[in-house]
Amino acid sequence: GNSVTQMEGPVTLSEEAFLTINCTYTATGYPSLFWYVQYPGEGLQLLLKATKADDKGSNKGFEATYRKETTSFHLEKGSVQVSDSAVYFCALRAAGNKLTFGGGTRVLVKP
Amino acid sequence: GAGVSQSPSNKVTEKGKDVELRCDPISGHTALYWYRQSLGQGLEFLIYFQGNSAPDKSGLPSDRFSAERTGGSVSTLTIQRTQQEDSAVYLCASSLIGGSNEKLFFGSGTQLSVL
Repeated sequence: GNSVTQMEGPVTLSEEAFLTINCTYTATGYPSLFWYVQYPGEGLQLLLKATKADDKGSNKGFEATYRKETTSFHLEKGSVQVSDSAVYFCALRAAGNKLTFGGGTRVLVKP
Repeated sequence: GAGVSQSPSNKVTEKGKDVELRCDPISGHTALYWYRQSLGQGLEFLIYFQGNSAPDKSGLPSDRFSAERTGGSVSTLTIQRTQQEDSAVYLCASSLIGGSNEKLFFGSGTQLSVL
């Protein structure tokens, strides 16, 4: 079946540091890949997506590239802010309509 | 409505009681999803509706769990004879037509606590 594996947190870093959250997947066919974010006290919301191999999704300074050869979709941001503190979820959508999520990675950015 | 609305936001119940959780999707969205988020865990898929039918209910953990959707709009998730392991945040999401590239709009969830 389909599955998503992402690095466990929490990840704690200082403001302006570089952030990477690793995500790898297993899926049949050619899935679409997503990163969702859950800020404290808020609902889940889409951060970025990529629908085919070598696509790069980007939003709010975050980027992720769909790597079919390594079945990965790592999330990166060059300079994090305190406001980036949140839980980040990697997800895929293959045949059928449900999103399959990873376990989530909590990120804490300290000033 | 402006977003996906879920009620109640918090529910405390005793073991063995039945509970109903409600989801009001964004107006016009035909696809509706239920997920469960347990403490320290990821999001676990429960069921997906396209209109009023549920083509994928593979994530319902037991026959104590059921869901329905009426009028292509509001959905209710029912848990019978609740158990302590049912304690979690139950999230509802909707999307316009359920296309594979669509983003899901999530509600704020119902925090269920079974004592």
